[in-house]
Amino acid sequence: NAGVTQTPKFQVLKTGQSMTLQCAQDMNHNSMYWYRQDPGMGLRLIYYSASEGTTDKGEVPNGYNVSRLNKREFSLRLESAAPSQTSVYFCASSEAGTSKTQYFGPGTRLLVL
Amino acid sequence: ILNVEQSPQSLHVQEGDSTNFTCSFPSSNFYALHWYRWETAKSPEALFVMTLNGDEKKKGRISATLNTKEGYSYLYIKGSQPEDSATYLCAFGGGSYIPTFGRGTSLIVHP
Repeated sequence: NAGVTQTPKFQVLKTGQSMTLQCAQDMNHNSMYWYRQDPGMGLRLIYYSASEGTTDKGEVPNGYNVSRLNKREFSLRLESAAPSQTSVYFCASSEAGTSKTQYFGPGTRLLVL
Repeated sequence: ILNVEQSPQSLHVQEGDSTNFTCSFPSSNFYALHWYRWETAKSPEALFVMTLNGDEKKKGRISATLNTKEGYSYLYIKGSQPEDSATYLCAFGGGSYIPTFGRGTSLIVHP
C-alpha cells in the first residue's frame, strides 16, 4: 500500500520554465490537496479537489493550475516558474469532509533559479 | 481566511521535561480539530482528530484536550525525548469544506 506518491522528489527550474508535479493516491479518497511549505509559514493550501471532476482555489493559487485527472491523480502545473515559487510542495488526500484526516505524500522540493 | 494560531512558535526543552502548546481557533461553526506531527525532511502525520467539546485523546506520552466553546486545544508531551523533536501542526475543521492549518509549533528536545 503506497499511500500518496509524488514525482519528482526534487527539481531545479530556470525562471520562465514550466513543469508539472504529479500526485497519486491508492486509498480511494475523494479529496485531494496541494500545499506549499515555506519557512515560518507552515502549510499553505494552493488548490484542492473535493471530488473527481472538481477543483477549487486555496489560499495561494496564483501562478499555478491543477488537473484532477481521475480519482487517483491530481497534478499541479507551473506554467512559467518564478523564484518565488521555490518551495517544498506536498500533496495530500482524504475522505470527504472537514473532520477527515489528511494523508500526505513525501513532498517535492522545487528550486527556481 | 480563518484565524488558526499556534503558540509558542518554537520551544526548546531538555530531555525529560514535560511541555505543552496551544492551538487557538474560531469558537463558532466547529466541526473538528486535528493535530499532526511533522518531522524534519518528512511529511506530516496525523496524531489526533477531535470532534467533541471536552474530548481528550492520548497516544503514548502525547495527549490533547479540546475546548470548543472558548476555541482552544492543548497538546501535552510528558517526559519529552529527543525523538519528539518535530513541528506540531493543528488544523481547524469549520464550516468550509477543508481544514485550515496553523503555522505550527517547532519543538526541539535537547539530550
